[in-house]
Amino acid sequence: EAQVTQNPRYLITVTGKKLTVTCSQNMNHEYMSWYRQDPGLGLRQIYYSMNVEVTDKGDVPEGYKVSRKEKRNFPLILESPSPNQTSLYFCASSLTGQAGTEAFFGQGTRLTVV
Amino acid sequence: EDKVVQSPLSLVVHEGDTVTLNCSYEVTNFRSLLWYKQEKKAPTFLFMLTSSGIEKKSGRLSSILDKKELFSILNITATQTGDSAIYLCAVIVWGGKLIFGQGTELSVKP
Repeated sequence: EAQVTQNPRYLITVTGKKLTVTCSQNMNHEYMSWYRQDPGLGLRQIYYSMNVEVTDKGDVPEGYKVSRKEKRNFPLILESPSPNQTSLYFCASSLTGQAGTEAFFGQGTRLTVV
Repeated sequence: EDKVVQSPLSLVVHEGDTVTLNCSYEVTNFRSLLWYKQEKKAPTFLFMLTSSGIEKKSGRLSSILDKKELFSILNITATQTGDSAIYLCAVIVWGGKLIFGQGTELSVKP
């Protein structure tokens, strides 16, 4: 089954404790991206990757890191989480970013930083 | 600064009504516009629009893009309670960056 898998689905952590949210897709997609969703603000892109070893900042990259060492995985790293990073996070993939093809979303990770 | 604006932000209708959701954009290097439906989980894809004036249809949903006036509309006819969701509009620009609007929360009452 074609899917994007995020882990964990829920996470409560403390300020400053490094964490990683994993994202994996099984569709051989080139394009992967991370979003955060906050009430009243919609989905905002954090980082995106057009292919292996190619990453770019989205609209809200501060406080986040990503890596794309292999095609299927695109982890989101919070080196020192803060309460303002409490949010719902989505990973998505699509065949290519340039073609504007359908994006498949993971099920989301609800992160709470206390 | 690239931006995508949706209106209205929320809407309450009764079953059987027809609704029109709006999405306007101001971006450099427009590539395509996408509509998604989000229930209590991940967004699911509805339409991708690249050319002006060509209507895309899927059952009771349809959408069209106007690249001259920089907007798109999503129509839902004969609404059902299962149409209740947040509808998201997003624009892809050259280079792959994706910009979402705030979403329109639609509630369909029986």
